[in-house]
Amino acid sequence: DAMVIQNPRYQVTQFGKPVTLSCSQTLNHNVMYWYQQKSSQAPKLLFHYYDKDFNNEADTPDNFQSRRPNTSFCFLDIRSPGLGDAAMYLCATSRAGARDRGEQFFGPGTRLTVL
Amino acid sequence: AQKVTQAQTEISVVEKEDVTLDCVYETRDTTYYLFWYKQPPSGELVFLIRRNSFDEQNEISGRYSWNFQKSTSSFNFTITASQVVDSAVYFCALRPSGGSYIPTFGRGTSLIVHP
Repeated sequence: DAMVIQNPRYQVTQFGKPVTLSCSQTLNHNVMYWYQQKSSQAPKLLFHYYDKDFNNEADTPDNFQSRRPNTSFCFLDIRSPGLGDAAMYLCATSRAGARDRGEQFFGPGTRLTVL
Repeated sequence: AQKVTQAQTEISVVEKEDVTLDCVYETRDTTYYLFWYKQPPSGELVFLIRRNSFDEQNEISGRYSWNFQKSTSSFNFTITASQVVDSAVYFCALRPSGGSYIPTFGRGTSLIVHP
């Protein structure tokens, strides 16, 4: 089945220790998104890619970086995690252009704990 | 600027009750999409429905129905004969149909269905 896969599902890291979260998709969608979601809140967009074109949200901290080496994969790097970065990180995809129907397809998320 | 308001933070019902989740939106775009997503405790956001702004026809899918009223900028979601498995957080979202691929999410409504 075509899907969005995130690894790992649970990640524990220490304060200040870099961590990388990964997302892959078999949907061949042009657009990939990274969201941060804290408890009882809506997902907050960190950045998105349209193909290789990177778009950073204005309020995304510099501590968060992203890479998209090809259509299928996208990575979220947190350079120096703080306690406030503990959250669920959601990857999503959507079609673009003539195939765009608007909806996003989400992965299962990675729950990050910072000790 | 776009805005999605889900005024109900939490709704608690007993199984088999009907429940309506409210969604009110604001946009200056003439064409747009509206969505509902379900987020069960596992964390993954699951796409439920998309509605184009030019299509005000209501939709029914099993126990789920959606009432789109452009005149009141509302896109409400009704679950008939609720079940425990319906317990989740439900998000309403809005996105322009052209140009931006970024949706605006409401804050979510937590639905708790008691047996």
